[in-house]
Amino acid sequence: DIQMTQSPSSLSASVGDKVTITCRASQSIITYLNWYQQKPGQAPKLLISGASRLERGVPSRFSGTGSGTDFTLTITRLQREDFATYYCQHNYRAPPWTFGQGTKVEIK
Amino acid sequence: EVQLLESGGGLVQPGGSLRLSCVASGFTFSNYAMTWVRQAPGKGLEWVSVISGSGGSIYYADSVKGRFTISRDNSNNTLFLQLSSLRAEDTALYYCARDATWELLGRWGNWGQGTLVSVSS
Repeated sequence: DIQMTQSPSSLSASVGDKVTITCRASQSIITYLNWYQQKPGQAPKLLISGASRLERGVPSRFSGTGSGTDFTLTITRLQREDFATYYCQHNYRAPPWTFGQGTKVEIK
Repeated sequence: EVQLLESGGGLVQPGGSLRLSCVASGFTFSNYAMTWVRQAPGKGLEWVSVISGSGGSIYYADSVKGRFTISRDNSNNTLFLQLSSLRAEDTALYYCARDATWELLGRWGNWGQGTLVSVSS
């Protein structure tokens, strides 16, 4: 099975900061990589699919890059509503599909 | 508007069984693969199982294979997850989620709010 490793596991940032979260796959997944945002008490929300394709309605301050094994989620000009936990997830070929362990973005 | 409403969770003893349901509305249910994802208290997300729109393709995570059974009733817009031989480590909030198409793409843009399963004696 493909393992997904996110870093860092948590970070503190201020409103207006630029935040970068990385996700590494244990083997190449080309660009079969999705990013989700989860706020406390809520279901996950799909932000980015195909490594870089922003879902409808997601603010343009979110962006995703990468291919192969290394991927990045970037949030420019962090807003208060962006404080949440972010997960990467691969959907390469047949299941099982795995998530990264999550990155909690906290207010500094 | 796409809506997914899970139910069926509860407290069950180790070794017991439960049947989770997810009622869908706002879209043509049979046109979409459906998946279950769970989240243990304070932990991350774990993909559990997926079923294609027709029900002809099914996959499970190794952690639940042989104990959980996914199924769907397209005439009643309902997804199911039968949980058997439950263990303490199955304690989690179980979400149903809709895939992007009838195929197994593994990309979930719509989620329910989850149903909580607690396994304890």
